[in-house]
Amino acid sequence: DIQMTQSPSSLSASVGDRVTITCRASQSISTSLNWYQQKPGKAPNLLIFAASNLQSGVPSRFSGSGSGTDFTLTISILQPEDFATYYCQQSYSNPYTFGQGTNLDIK
Amino acid sequence: EVHLVESGGGLVQPGRSLRLSCAASGFTFDDYAMHWVRQAPGKGLEWVSGITWNSEIIEYADSVKGRFTISRDNAENSLYLQMNRLRPEDTALYYCARLNYDTSGSTHHFDSWGQGTLVTVSS
Repeated sequence: DIQMTQSPSSLSASVGDRVTITCRASQSISTSLNWYQQKPGKAPNLLIFAASNLQSGVPSRFSGSGSGTDFTLTISILQPEDFATYYCQQSYSNPYTFGQGTNLDIK
Repeated sequence: EVHLVESGGGLVQPGRSLRLSCAASGFTFDDYAMHWVRQAPGKGLEWVSGITWNSEIIEYADSVKGRFTISRDNAENSLYLQMNRLRPEDTALYYCARLNYDTSGSTHHFDSWGQGTLVTVSS
């Protein structure tokens, strides 16, 4: 199975900050990498697919990059509604594995 | 608008069975593969099982293989998960999710999720 490792596991930031979350795959997954946001009590919401493609309806302050084994999710100007948990997920091969999550909270 | 509604969760004793359902609306159900993803309380996301649009390809996580069975009824726009020989570690919120593809068809992602149904396995 492909292991996905996110860093950091938790992050404190302020409104207006630029935030970067990284995700590393245990083997090359090309660009088969997705990012999801999950707020407490809610289902995950797709932000970025295929490493760098913004899902329809997602604000442009979210961006993704990377290929192979190393990927990043960047939030350019943090907004109050962005405080949530973020997960990366590989769709290169089954089982589709998720990172352990990054909890982004208010500093 | 895509709408996925799970049902069938509840409290069940270890070793017993439960059948989850996911009712889909707002899209052509038989155009899409569908999956189940679960989340134990306070934990991360774990992929459970997936089924192609025509049920020809079915896959399971090792943790549920041999105990869970995924199926679908395209005429009813419904996805199912039959869970047998349940264990306490199966306790989780179970989401159904739609699998979509990028424009090249080379990568895929879960673009729509239900709100989940909670399964608690405890004596």
